[in-house]
Amino acid sequence: EAGVTQSPTHLIKTRGQQATLRCSPISGHTSVYWYQQALGLGLQFLLWYDEGEERNRGNFPPRFSGRQFPNYSSELNVNALELEDSALYLCASSVRDRGGADTQYFGPGTRLTVL
Amino acid sequence: QKEVEQDPGPLSVPEGAIVSLNCTYSNSAFQYFMWYRQYSRKGPELLMYTYSSGNKEDGRFTAQVDKSSKYISLFIRDSQPSDSATYLCATKGSNYQLIWGAGTKLIIKP
Repeated sequence: EAGVTQSPTHLIKTRGQQATLRCSPISGHTSVYWYQQALGLGLQFLLWYDEGEERNRGNFPPRFSGRQFPNYSSELNVNALELEDSALYLCASSVRDRGGADTQYFGPGTRLTVL
Repeated sequence: QKEVEQDPGPLSVPEGAIVSLNCTYSNSAFQYFMWYRQYSRKGPELLMYTYSSGNKEDGRFTAQVDKSSKYISLFIRDSQPSDSATYLCATKGSNYQLIWGAGTKLIIKP
């Protein structure tokens, strides 16, 4: 079974530009989560999509946005890039198991560098 | 106070040693606990998850939850250099979000 995939692997942009990151969940998973992980820091929750709807967002400015498509893949857009947006962006997908858990499985991440 | 606290380390141990990684949490309502392993510049991978209290064993790994003290542990037996990674604990919050510890960097010395 294929895991979560993300593209591109690396992305280099300059300040003020826009970045688009993509994620394909595990087949059968309807939820997609986006996280930011700056160098040496923990995971910071960005966005959660489920069944095509945004369910929750973390404490990030509105220039971080995204969407989930009918096939459950997802896109994260970052507008007006700033230097501090440089980080590893991780996508995770999940499906609720019978016990009610919502185990998340991660992709390899997209490393965004803003110059 | 953070909802999940985890010592960032680094924790350095010799090969073959038993490793103990720990987290504490603040909310007694938390029931699902996960341990993820993250190699450098890679995405986290799920190691184990447990529900409520007790132990769960998978090969060289044992996850333990003590709800009375709000303490979760991951034990690694016969540690190997390939176990060198950052280990993150997480729990599921009331809004289905995972709440993460900061991660502990583990170094196994050959």
